[in-house]
Amino acid sequence: DAKTTQPPSMDCAEGRAANLPCNHSTISGNEYVYWYRQIHSQGPQYIIHGLKNNETNEMASLIITEDRKSSTLILPHATLRDTAVYYCIVRVKYGSARQLTFGSGTQLTVLP
Amino acid sequence: DTAVSQTPKYLVTQMGNDKSIKCEQNLGHDTMYWYKQDSKKFLKIMFSYNNKELIINETVPNRFSPKSPDKAHLNLHINSLELGDSAVYFCASSQQQYNEQFFGPGTRLTVL
Repeated sequence: DAKTTQPPSMDCAEGRAANLPCNHSTISGNEYVYWYRQIHSQGPQYIIHGLKNNETNEMASLIITEDRKSSTLILPHATLRDTAVYYCIVRVKYGSARQLTFGSGTQLTVLP
Repeated sequence: DTAVSQTPKYLVTQMGNDKSIKCEQNLGHDTMYWYKQDSKKFLKIMFSYNNKELIINETVPNRFSPKSPDKAHLNLHINSLELGDSAVYFCASSQQQYNEQFFGPGTRLTVL
Protein backbone atom coordinates (compact mmCIF):
# COMPACT_ATOMS: atom_id res chain seq x y z
CA ASP A 1 0.00 0.00 0.00
CA ALA A 2 1.20 3.53 -0.79
CA LYS A 3 2.43 5.65 2.08
CA THR A 4 0.79 8.90 3.05
CA THR A 5 2.06 12.13 4.56
CA GLN A 6 -0.10 14.31 6.75
CA PRO A 7 0.65 17.34 8.92
CA PRO A 8 0.86 16.29 12.57
CA SER A 9 -1.61 18.90 13.78
CA MET A 10 -4.05 21.59 12.68
CA ASP A 11 -6.42 24.02 14.33
CA CYS A 12 -9.75 25.20 13.02
CA ALA A 13 -12.30 27.67 14.35
CA GLU A 14 -15.70 26.28 15.19
CA GLY A 15 -18.16 26.78 12.35
CA ARG A 16 -15.44 27.19 9.75
CA ALA A 17 -14.39 24.64 7.17
CA ALA A 18 -11.58 22.31 8.15
CA ASN A 19 -9.34 21.31 5.25
CA LEU A 20 -7.07 18.37 6.00
CA PRO A 21 -4.39 17.64 3.40
CA CYS A 22 -2.80 14.31 2.56
CA ASN A 23 0.04 13.52 0.18
CA HIS A 24 0.19 10.10 -1.46
CA SER A 25 2.59 10.65 -4.33
CA THR A 26 3.29 6.92 -4.85
CA ILE A 27 -0.34 5.89 -5.10
CA SER A 28 -1.10 3.18 -7.65
CA GLY A 29 -3.90 3.29 -10.18
CA ASN A 30 -6.01 0.75 -8.31
CA GLU A 31 -5.56 2.23 -4.84
CA TYR A 32 -8.34 4.10 -3.13
CA VAL A 33 -7.99 6.96 -0.65
CA TYR A 34 -9.75 6.33 2.67
CA TRP A 35 -10.24 8.67 5.59
CA TYR A 36 -10.91 7.60 9.14
CA ARG A 37 -10.90 9.57 12.36
CA GLN A 38 -10.38 8.67 15.99
CA ILE A 39 -11.97 10.76 18.66
CA HIS A 40 -10.12 10.52 21.96
CA SER A 41 -10.47 7.13 23.64
CA GLN A 42 -12.86 5.81 20.99
CA GLY A 43 -12.45 3.38 18.12
CA PRO A 44 -11.64 4.76 14.67
CA GLN A 45 -14.60 5.86 12.58
CA TYR A 46 -14.89 5.60 8.81
CA ILE A 47 -15.50 8.95 7.10
CA ILE A 48 -15.25 8.65 3.33
CA HIS A 49 -13.27 7.11 0.49
CA GLY A 50 -12.69 7.71 -3.21
CA LEU A 51 -10.68 6.66 -6.23
CA LYS A 52 -10.34 9.68 -8.49
CA ASN A 53 -13.61 11.58 -8.47
CA ASN A 54 -14.51 13.97 -5.71
CA GLU A 55 -16.84 12.43 -3.16
CA THR A 56 -19.30 13.88 -0.67
CA ASN A 57 -21.37 12.34 2.09
CA GLU A 58 -23.14 13.56 5.19
CA MET A 59 -19.89 13.82 7.10
CA ALA A 60 -17.38 15.32 4.70
CA SER A 61 -16.14 15.94 1.19
CA LEU A 62 -13.07 14.39 -0.38
CA ILE A 63 -11.20 16.25 -3.08
CA ILE A 64 -8.61 14.23 -5.01
CA THR A 65 -6.22 16.01 -7.36
CA GLU A 66 -6.25 15.05 -11.01
CA ASP A 67 -2.87 13.31 -10.75
CA ARG A 68 -4.14 11.57 -7.57
CA LYS A 69 -0.95 12.40 -5.71
CA SER A 70 -2.75 14.30 -3.00
CA SER A 71 -6.17 14.77 -1.52
CA THR A 72 -8.02 17.01 0.93
CA LEU A 73 -10.69 16.07 3.40
CA ILE A 74 -13.12 18.90 4.00
CA LEU A 75 -15.36 19.19 7.04
CA PRO A 76 -17.61 22.04 5.87
CA HIS A 77 -18.70 23.37 9.26
CA ALA A 78 -16.41 22.05 11.97
CA THR A 79 -17.81 21.57 15.45
CA LEU A 80 -16.06 20.90 18.74
CA ARG A 81 -17.03 17.24 18.37
CA ASP A 82 -14.90 17.02 15.24
CA THR A 83 -11.76 17.33 17.35
CA ALA A 84 -9.97 14.06 16.61
CA VAL A 85 -7.01 12.43 14.89
CA TYR A 86 -7.71 12.10 11.18
CA TYR A 87 -6.06 9.30 9.22
CA CYS A 88 -5.55 9.26 5.47
CA ILE A 89 -5.00 5.74 4.15
CA VAL A 90 -4.49 4.41 0.65
CA ARG A 91 -5.16 0.80 -0.15
CA VAL A 92 -6.27 -1.56 -2.84
CA LYS A 93 -10.00 -2.13 -2.63
CA TYR A 94 -10.36 -5.27 -4.72
CA GLY A 95 -8.19 -8.15 -5.77
CA SER A 96 -6.47 -9.12 -2.56
CA ALA A 97 -6.88 -8.93 1.15
CA ARG A 98 -5.37 -5.64 2.18
CA GLN A 99 -5.52 -4.36 5.69
CA LEU A 100 -5.79 -0.73 6.71
CA THR A 101 -2.36 0.65 7.53
CA PHE A 102 -2.72 3.60 9.87
CA GLY A 103 -0.04 6.28 9.98
CA SER A 104 0.30 8.95 12.63
CA GLY A 105 -2.53 11.08 11.24
CA THR A 106 -3.40 14.74 11.82
CA GLN A 107 -4.61 15.92 15.18
CA LEU A 108 -7.41 18.38 14.37
CA THR A 109 -8.39 20.69 17.19
CA VAL A 110 -11.57 22.69 16.70
CA LEU A 111 -11.42 25.86 18.76
CA PRO A 112 -14.47 27.62 20.21
CA ASP B 1 -27.92 -0.73 19.13
CA THR B 2 -24.22 -1.38 19.46
CA ALA B 3 -22.71 -2.44 16.14
CA VAL B 4 -19.35 -3.75 17.35
CA SER B 5 -19.01 -4.48 21.04
CA GLN B 6 -16.05 -5.59 23.12
CA THR B 7 -15.76 -6.91 26.64
CA PRO B 8 -14.28 -6.02 28.96
CA LYS B 9 -13.67 -2.31 28.45
CA TYR B 10 -10.83 -2.32 30.96
CA LEU B 11 -8.61 -5.23 31.94
CA VAL B 12 -5.90 -5.01 34.60
CA THR B 13 -3.88 -8.12 35.24
CA GLN B 14 -0.53 -9.43 36.42
CA MET B 15 2.33 -10.53 34.24
CA GLY B 16 2.18 -14.19 33.33
CA ASN B 17 -1.60 -14.45 33.46
CA ASP B 18 -3.82 -15.61 30.61
CA LYS B 19 -6.72 -13.40 29.55
CA SER B 20 -9.34 -13.14 26.83
CA ILE B 21 -11.08 -10.24 25.14
CA LYS B 22 -14.38 -10.83 23.43
CA CYS B 23 -15.77 -9.12 20.35
CA GLU B 24 -19.19 -9.34 18.80
CA GLN B 25 -20.72 -7.57 15.81
CA ASN B 26 -24.40 -7.45 14.91
CA LEU B 27 -23.92 -5.95 11.45
CA GLY B 28 -23.98 -9.24 9.57
CA HIS B 29 -20.42 -8.66 8.37
CA ASP B 30 -18.27 -11.54 7.25
CA THR B 31 -14.84 -10.12 8.11
CA MET B 32 -13.51 -9.24 11.55
CA TYR B 33 -10.21 -7.78 12.74
CA TRP B 34 -8.10 -7.18 15.81
CA TYR B 35 -5.91 -4.07 16.07
CA LYS B 36 -3.47 -2.99 18.75
CA GLN B 37 -2.90 0.66 19.64
CA ASP B 38 0.20 1.21 21.72
CA SER B 39 1.15 4.08 24.00
CA LYS B 40 2.43 6.09 21.04
CA LYS B 41 -1.03 5.81 19.49
CA PHE B 42 0.04 3.80 16.48
CA LEU B 43 -2.76 1.51 15.36
CA LYS B 44 -1.60 -1.81 13.90
CA ILE B 45 -3.49 -4.75 12.47
CA MET B 46 -2.96 -8.03 14.26
CA PHE B 47 -5.41 -10.50 12.74
CA SER B 48 -8.21 -10.66 10.24
CA TYR B 49 -10.83 -13.38 9.84
CA ASN B 50 -13.10 -13.80 6.85
CA ASN B 51 -15.99 -16.22 7.28
CA LYS B 52 -14.28 -17.72 10.31
CA GLU B 53 -11.02 -18.29 8.43
CA LEU B 54 -7.77 -16.52 9.23
CA ILE B 55 -6.70 -14.31 6.31
CA ILE B 56 -4.25 -11.87 7.90
CA ASN B 57 -1.80 -12.73 10.62
CA GLU B 58 0.76 -10.04 11.11
CA THR B 59 3.93 -10.58 13.09
CA VAL B 60 2.31 -11.23 16.43
CA PRO B 61 3.74 -13.47 19.18
CA ASN B 62 2.28 -16.96 19.39
CA ARG B 63 0.94 -16.01 22.80
CA PHE B 64 -1.86 -14.24 20.95
CA SER B 65 -4.48 -16.59 19.55
CA PRO B 66 -7.68 -15.41 17.89
CA LYS B 67 -10.74 -17.63 17.93
CA SER B 68 -13.79 -17.18 15.73
CA PRO B 69 -16.63 -19.46 16.85
CA ASP B 70 -18.94 -17.92 14.26
CA LYS B 71 -19.04 -14.99 11.85
CA ALA B 72 -20.35 -12.61 14.49
CA HIS B 73 -17.62 -13.24 17.05
CA LEU B 74 -13.85 -12.91 17.12
CA ASN B 75 -12.22 -13.39 20.50
CA LEU B 76 -8.61 -12.72 21.38
CA HIS B 77 -6.85 -14.93 23.87
CA ILE B 78 -3.50 -13.91 25.26
CA ASN B 79 -1.23 -16.31 27.15
CA SER B 80 1.58 -15.42 29.53
CA LEU B 81 0.91 -11.70 29.48
CA GLU B 82 3.92 -9.38 29.36
CA LEU B 83 4.34 -5.73 30.27
CA GLY B 84 4.65 -4.85 26.58
CA ASP B 85 1.18 -6.19 25.91
CA SER B 86 -0.29 -3.17 27.67
CA ALA B 87 -2.23 -1.31 25.01
CA VAL B 88 -5.72 -0.62 23.74
CA TYR B 89 -7.08 -3.45 21.60
CA PHE B 90 -9.73 -2.68 19.00
CA CYS B 91 -11.99 -5.10 17.25
CA ALA B 92 -13.47 -4.17 13.87
CA SER B 93 -15.66 -5.68 11.19
CA SER B 94 -16.47 -5.10 7.54
CA GLN B 95 -18.65 -6.56 4.84
CA GLN B 96 -16.07 -8.42 2.82
CA GLN B 97 -12.40 -7.67 3.14
CA TYR B 98 -12.37 -4.49 1.14
CA ASN B 99 -15.10 -2.32 2.50
CA GLU B 100 -15.08 0.26 5.25
CA GLN B 101 -14.45 -1.09 8.72
CA PHE B 102 -16.52 -0.47 11.81
CA PHE B 103 -14.58 -0.39 15.05
CA GLY B 104 -15.51 -1.34 18.57
CA PRO B 105 -14.93 0.92 21.58
CA GLY B 106 -11.65 -0.74 22.52
CA THR B 107 -10.34 -2.71 25.49
CA ARG B 108 -7.64 -1.07 27.55
CA LEU B 109 -5.30 -3.80 28.79
CA THR B 110 -2.86 -2.98 31.57
CA VAL B 111 -0.30 -5.57 32.57
CA LEU B 112 1.34 -4.97 35.95
